[in-house]
Amino acid sequence: EVQLVESGGGLVQPGGSLRLSCAASGFSFSNSWMSWVRQTPGKGLEWVANINPDGSQKNFVDSVKGRFTISRDNARDSLYLQMNSLRAEDTALYYCVVGRASRWGQGTLVTVSS
Amino acid sequence: DVVMTQSPLSLPVTLGQPASISCRSSESLVYSDGNTYLNWFQQRPGQSPRRLIYELSNRESGVPDRFSGSGSGTDFALKISRVEAEDVGVYFCMQATHWPHTFGQGTKLEIK
Repeated sequence: EVQLVESGGGLVQPGGSLRLSCAASGFSFSNSWMSWVRQTPGKGLEWVANINPDGSQKNFVDSVKGRFTISRDNARDSLYLQMNSLRAEDTALYYCVVGRASRWGQGTLVTVSS
Repeated sequence: DVVMTQSPLSLPVTLGQPASISCRSSESLVYSDGNTYLNWFQQRPGQSPRRLIYELSNRESGVPDRFSGSGSGTDFALKISRVEAEDVGVYFCMQATHWPHTFGQGTKLEIK
């Protein structure tokens, strides 16, 4: 069974940083594209970033370019999202997602507020 | 970015009746490999999204056959042949042909 368990969310002040993690199991992580997708009541669902299986290709939505970094550790079956210079509009539930969103984690909540 | 526009945004349906959700994209979703990377998701209250349909019309394992996806180019539809109580939730279309992948606004299905 595919399992994706996100962690690392929390309350952070504007301008601060957070690192999200996703522990994957039940599928071939090292052969899978992985992504982060976020959801807010107001803006809906937004694809934040993705990374190819060996980590050599990374794509980001324009709103996070230069602030967020996506990475992975295939030896640990883990995906990461380093978020810097956080803004109020980054407040969202962040999901770890496999491939073209075939499987989703339960999400971790990030709140950016003073 | 490719804009995905869903309609209706609210869909009250009587149990046992059919339902249909439309999704239009601002650009063709046919990829260079000939595939159309249009997905449909269901999000039940309090749960993560679940993919129902991938690549336009392929049902995920375990998805009831009352769900079907169709369309081409820029016009797509998700149809439920007979709505059941467990189908309550929000339905999203999503394109994975162009970067960034983008979602529709969501259609809230409720039972009349």
